[in-house]
Amino acid sequence: SQTIHQWPATLVQPVGSPLSLECTVEGTSNPNLYWYRQAAGRGLQLLFYSVGIGQISSEVPQNLSASRPQDRQFILSSKKLLLSDSGFYLCACDQGNEKLFFGSGTQLSVL
Amino acid sequence: AQTVTQSQPEMSVQEAETVTLSCTYDTSENNYYLFWYKQPPSRQMILVIRQEAYKQQNATENRFSVNFQKAAKSFSLKISDSQLGDTAMYFCAFQGGNNAGNMLTFGGGTRLMVKP
Repeated sequence: SQTIHQWPATLVQPVGSPLSLECTVEGTSNPNLYWYRQAAGRGLQLLFYSVGIGQISSEVPQNLSASRPQDRQFILSSKKLLLSDSGFYLCACDQGNEKLFFGSGTQLSVL
Repeated sequence: AQTVTQSQPEMSVQEAETVTLSCTYDTSENNYYLFWYKQPPSRQMILVIRQEAYKQQNATENRFSVNFQKAAKSFSLKISDSQLGDTAMYFCAFQGGNNAGNMLTFGGGTRLMVKP
């Protein structure tokens, strides 16, 4: 089964600084990849998904971008963080079989 | 667009008792999937149970079962013989059958506390 690596686990960044969160997947090839954000005490909101290298779809307009430079690598970025970017970010993957697997998440605090 | 509603922000149950978490959803699709995910304090999202809309039989996974009422667009989760380790946030999620990719729409969650 696939394993999802996400890092860092926690991150504190000042407003206006750049962001790069990385997610890598092991044990599968050509997965669908997703970035979700969870605000405190809330459900998950889909930010981006990718069905292949270089293919990124954005679900909500925002200050963030995503890239997929390799088949099993998914990166979430920002050029200038906003306070509203704070939250818990989860990477997820699947192989088209309706079973979504999640990484352990990154808690981002923008101060 | 699909919406998922969990009307119980918090619930509690005594250890060994049974608890039911509610979930309703709205969709115009006929073929879709429904899920319950558990998020313990570690914040890892764990799939609890999955239901295909075209199946009338309610899904069951050990102590976890669902009551799927397609006409009412209701998908409740029943936890039997509750254990302390069941303490977590529980999220109901919807996935349309025609999605490019398996995008899930999540409810706002229910915080369940199992008391000893």
